[in-house]
Amino acid sequence: QVQLVESGGGLVKPGGSLRLSCVASGLTFSDSYMNWLRQAPGKGLEWVSYISSTGSNIYYADSVKGRFTVSRDNAKNSLYLEMNSLRAEDTAVYYCARDWRHGSGSYSPWGQGTLVNVSS
Amino acid sequence: QSALTQPASVSGSPGQSITISCAGTSSDVGGYNYVSWYQQYPGKAPKLLIYDVSSRPSGVSDRFSGSKSGNTASLTISGLQAEDEAEYYCNSYSSRSTHYVFGTGTEVTVL
Repeated sequence: QVQLVESGGGLVKPGGSLRLSCVASGLTFSDSYMNWLRQAPGKGLEWVSYISSTGSNIYYADSVKGRFTVSRDNAKNSLYLEMNSLRAEDTAVYYCARDWRHGSGSYSPWGQGTLVNVSS
Repeated sequence: QSALTQPASVSGSPGQSITISCAGTSSDVGGYNYVSWYQQYPGKAPKLLIYDVSSRPSGVSDRFSGSKSGNTASLTISGLQAEDEAEYYCNSYSSRSTHYVFGTGTEVTVL
């Protein structure tokens, strides 16, 4: 069974940092193109970042560019999101998700999400 | 990143068909066949229903279908069931942002 499990969320002060992790099982992670997406409380979905299967291609939403860094360790079946200079508007549930059909903006499966709360 | 426009809510009776629209521009929905749709229950992760405008992943009910006309994409739910009560989001590639943007979301209510 394909499964993605996020961890690392929590309460952090504005300007602080946090590192999210996503561990994959039941799929060939090294062949998977991965994404981070987020959803602010009571709001809609927002794509955050993409990393290719080898890590050679990386993209970010303008809202996080320069502050967030995505990476992966294929030997550990793991995806990461390093978040720095956090702002109140970064408060959201963060999901990792695999490209369903690469290049189409379709994502499946999704993890259960991890909540990041940026507050003083 | 400008969100695609969806109606805030759509409702229907069991057994009926409903359609959720996703309005964009020629820079996103109208310009590319990269529209996907997601279903999300409260407190749960989204689930992919439709990709590439009208393709359905295996395991997704054929009561869900997608289409596109001009700058507007649509998701149709046929034979509406109580379990279809959820939030639905569209998604499309946008050449303006060179990323993928989501719709504003539509709450479906089964009367």
